[in-house]
Amino acid sequence: EAQVTQNPRYLITVTGKKLTVTCSQNMNHEYMSWYRQDPGLGLRQIYYSMNVEVTDKGDVPEGYKVSRKEKRNFPLILESPSPNQTSLYFCASSLKLRQTRQETQYFGPGTRLLVL
Amino acid sequence: QKEVEQNSGPLSVPEGAIASLNCTYSDRGSQSFFWYRQYSGKSPELIMFIYSNGDKEDGRFTAQLNKASQYVSLLIRDSQPSDSATYLCAVKDAGKSTFGDGTTLTVKP
Repeated sequence: EAQVTQNPRYLITVTGKKLTVTCSQNMNHEYMSWYRQDPGLGLRQIYYSMNVEVTDKGDVPEGYKVSRKEKRNFPLILESPSPNQTSLYFCASSLKLRQTRQETQYFGPGTRLLVL
Repeated sequence: QKEVEQNSGPLSVPEGAIASLNCTYSDRGSQSFFWYRQYSGKSPELIMFIYSNGDKEDGRFTAQLNKASQYVSLLIRDSQPSDSATYLCAVKDAGKSTFGDGTTLTVKP
């Protein structure tokens, strides 16, 4: 079954305590991305990766790090979380078919983070 | 001005009607356009992808793209109560994606 998994699904932490949210996909997709969703602000892209070892900033990268050492995994790292990073986080992966230019995309189930 | 604007909701239509959702974008370099459906408490689900001018149909869904007017729309024919959700428009330029705030659709039986 094609899927994107995220762990943990729920996390309560305190300011300054480093955390990692994992994201894994089993579809051999080249492209992966992280988003945060906040009421009134919609879905905003944090970082994306076009392929292994290639990452780039989205609209709201401050306070986040990512790495893409292997195709299936794209962890999101918060080195020193702050309360304004309390949010719902989604990981997604996609594949663009070069011949047809069609794109398929899957989102993970989300990680709800509360930073106290 | 926000880069991707969606018509403000909420939008309510009776069952069986056509629901029309609209989206405008500011970056003329945008290459790919997406419509997602997001049920309350769930993750977004891609329902339509379009990259060339004109219409693209998939079942009851039709996406329309007009790059000259920087406008993309989603029509849902024969709306069903199960279509009640928030619909997100997004544009993508290379790897960077920008989303609209979403339009909440309610289909009343």
